[in-house]
Amino acid sequence: AQSVTQLDSQVPVFEEAPVELRCNYSSSVSVYLFWYVQYPNQGLQLLLKYLSGSTLVKGINGFEAEFNKSQTSFHLRKPSVHISDTAEYFCAVSDLAGGFKTIFGAGTRLFVKA
Amino acid sequence: DAGVIQSPRHEVTEMGQEVTLRCKPISGHNSLFWYRQTMMRGLELLIYFNNNVPIDDSGMPEDRFSAKMPNASFSTLKIQPSEPRDSAVYFCASSLQGEQYFGPGTRLTVT
Repeated sequence: AQSVTQLDSQVPVFEEAPVELRCNYSSSVSVYLFWYVQYPNQGLQLLLKYLSGSTLVKGINGFEAEFNKSQTSFHLRKPSVHISDTAEYFCAVSDLAGGFKTIFGAGTRLFVKA
Repeated sequence: DAGVIQSPRHEVTEMGQEVTLRCKPISGHNSLFWYRQTMMRGLELLIYFNNNVPIDDSGMPEDRFSAKMPNASFSTLKIQPSEPRDSAVYFCASSLQGEQYFGPGTRLTVT
């Protein structure tokens, strides 16, 4: 069975500061890894994905994430955040063998302060 | 591409009434997922389909909930009878190979 743990429920940060949102997963099979963002009153949209290859993946809005197989982590980073980055961020793992069943983490609320 | 389409966007109903939520996935996607999101429980997977076939409905809370996918371009989630604790935002998402595209959601309020 798969599981996803987002280690921080809320992350407050000042504008232009760097941020890291942490995600750990567990799975007994090969998986794809994703980060999604949800702005208020909207559905989730894909930020970035790791399928294979380079462990550092870049996504939209200046975000990037690094896949670490030994630590089973997929942390999301941005070197300088903007007020508009305030949103809920979800880490997700998709099981390649199970018809791409996807498990989402509980979410991390990023709050960027001026 | 119009993306994933959900209707209605908002639904207010009284306890005991039947509620039907609708979803049109992105053309060409072969997987469809129904989620429920609340403040208390976060984002929960209810059921998902591959090639119109239900694969895993273990997240469906109880027999009052049912979902169908009669063809590749349409799915419904039905709650009968509805209860106040069903109040939530219900999302539909479609996928081709793991990456999911979400609809705008249906905000359901059961009074």
